[in-house]
Amino acid sequence: EVQLLESGGGLVQPGGSLRLSCAASGFNFNNYAIHWVRQAPGKGLEWVSAISGDGDRAYYADSVKGRFTISRDNSKYTLYLQVSSLRADDTAVYYCAKEKGYSLDVWGQGTTVTVSS
Amino acid sequence: EVVLTQSPATLSLSPGDRATLSCKASQTISRYLAWFQQKPGQAPRLVIYDASDRATGIPDRFSGSGSGTDFTLTISSLAPEDFAVYYCQQRVNWPLTFGGGTKVEIK
Repeated sequence: EVQLLESGGGLVQPGGSLRLSCAASGFNFNNYAIHWVRQAPGKGLEWVSAISGDGDRAYYADSVKGRFTISRDNSKYTLYLQVSSLRADDTAVYYCAKEKGYSLDVWGQGTTVTVSS
Repeated sequence: EVVLTQSPATLSLSPGDRATLSCKASQTISRYLAWFQQKPGQAPRLVIYDASDRATGIPDRFSGSGSGTDFTLTISSLAPEDFAVYYCQQRVNWPLTFGGGTKVEIK
């Protein structure tokens, strides 16, 4: 079964950092780009970042550029998102999602990041 | 950036009704539009990709149409489990963008 499982969320103070992880199973991880998408409480979906299957290309939303870094370890079938200089408006559920063509066909259950003092 | 505008924001219907959801793109995206269903407390679920292809396990009461800038998701006869929020999404151009969502609620 194709699965993605996020972890690493939590409560962090403004200006703080976290590393989110996304563990993949059930498919050839190296062959697929993976995305991070977030959802603030009561709001819609916001794309955050993506990385190519080989890790050579990374893409970021303007709202997180310079503060977030996406990476992957294909030997561990794991995706990461280093989130830094966190602000209150970064509070959200963070999902990882596998790319299929031009869409996202498999999603994790999400990990919650709360930025508050 | 491709802006996706979904309408209506809320659709109040009864089980068995037909639901028609719209997504309009600010520039042409060919047929590369996807639709997702999200229920409270759950991750989004892919329903339609490439404008009209149903994702694995999606019942045939769901159908998608459109190309260019205008797209439609149709649910032919609403089942109780179909009441949810639906989002459209494109990745023809970076950044990947989502529409604001249409909530399909029970009337």
